[in-house]
Amino acid sequence: GAVVSQHPSWVICKSGTSVKIECRSLDFQATTMFWYRQFPKQSLMLMATSNEGSKATYEQGVEKDKFLINHASLTLSTLTVTSAHPEDSSFYICSARLLRGQGLSEQYFGPGTRLTVT
Amino acid sequence: AQSVTQLDSQVPVFEEAPVELRCNYSSSVSVYLFWYVQYPNQGLQLLLKYLSGSTLVESINGFEAEFNKSQTSFHLRKPSVHISDTAEYFCAVRQGGSEKLVFGKGTKLTVNP
Repeated sequence: GAVVSQHPSWVICKSGTSVKIECRSLDFQATTMFWYRQFPKQSLMLMATSNEGSKATYEQGVEKDKFLINHASLTLSTLTVTSAHPEDSSFYICSARLLRGQGLSEQYFGPGTRLTVT
Repeated sequence: AQSVTQLDSQVPVFEEAPVELRCNYSSSVSVYLFWYVQYPNQGLQLLLKYLSGSTLVESINGFEAEFNKSQTSFHLRKPSVHISDTAEYFCAVRQGGSEKLVFGKGTKLTVNP
């Protein structure tokens, strides 16, 4: 249980185009999902917290107009990289929060999407 | 702000040798601690976690970690590693009352035959 998928697993796009990445919780409902970015040989950096039915909360330094997040249902969040540039090339990973009761929760991670902007 | 330090960026070991991957976090009133493993070109998989209770936690594949509050550490250990354990390992901390995970920079474990 607690499986999170991402689509696509990898994508190559031209500079100036937009790319949409999907994150799905397959066997549980997630009111909260998170989007991370991982540069080569570095750790994951939280970009934003996605809440179902409301606006995402972005971390400091993350451009909300460039990285559009939509969490339209309890099992799907999307990240759209608008007007992508080569510096946006990275590994994007999402996670979904699973509530376990008594105030405890865990994040389950998707397999990641490698974006290459040429 | 919460921070996580993984002192070793790379740890090479021979197969069947013991290994310890170190993790220290900045002090906080209450924290939840996690170790994740990442295989090449894949996402993160939860290896083990400390939420409460016993300070020694174990995974199904032989790893263990001990929460040491006085030393603010959560080191990961395995008494005998396999080549298949070769991966990147991330320590992460979540502060009580927050949903945010703060990750260390990771430790690349390479197990050689």
